Amino acid sequence: AQSVTQPDIHITVSEGASLELRCNYSYGATPYLFWYVQSPGQGLQLLLKYFSGDTLVQGIKGFEAEFKRSQSSFNLRKPSVHWSDAAEYFCAVGVGGGSYIPTFGRGTSLIVHP
Amino acid sequence: DSGVTQTPKHLITATGQRVTLRCSPRSGDLSVYWYQQSLDQGLQFLIQYYNGEERAKGNILERFSAQQFPDLHSELNLSSLELGDSALYFCASSAFGGTETQYFGPGTRLLVL
Repeated sequence: AQSVTQPDIHITVSEGASLELRCNYSYGATPYLFWYVQSPGQGLQLLLKYFSGDTLVQGIKGFEAEFKRSQSSFNLRKPSVHWSDAAEYFCAVGVGGGSYIPTFGRGTSLIVHP
Repeated sequence: DSGVTQTPKHLITATGQRVTLRCSPRSGDLSVYWYQQSLDQGLQFLIQYYNGEERAKGNILERFSAQQFPDLHSELNLSSLELGDSALYFCASSAFGGTETQYFGPGTRLLVL
């Protein structure tokens, strides 16, 4: 079965600094990969997804992620963090076969210092 | 606002009781998903419906059941509630239940005392 590991439970960055959130997956074939964000008291919002093609994926809110098959990773990046980016970030992996249900990692909490 | 609505926002009940959570998908979306988010288990997929039919099942307990009605709204029924069922329950919807984006509702927070 597929699985996702987000090694960092918390990440603290200063506003304006760059950000990289790590995600490693386990799956035998090419997976479908997602990054979601959950703001306090809100549901999840999809930031970006990778299914195939260009391994560098652009998402909303200035986020991007890169799929690296050799490292089984799909790290999320942002060049300059804003205070409003403080939230919980979830990486997820889905498999095909007619159903694309994501399996979620445990999440990384992003704290942004002014 | 994702366009997915969930009621109620909060629910407090006692062990052994039964509750029903309701979800209205985005206009035009045929597929509905239910997820449970807890401190112990993280975010887990429970079940998916497409146009009234069950399409996929995840880690859903036998005490839990769901259905999707002809108007496409969905209900998640939780019975014989235990303390460990306390969690945030999310509903999401998508157009066809495939690779397209899932839109999440704000969730129902359930507290079992």
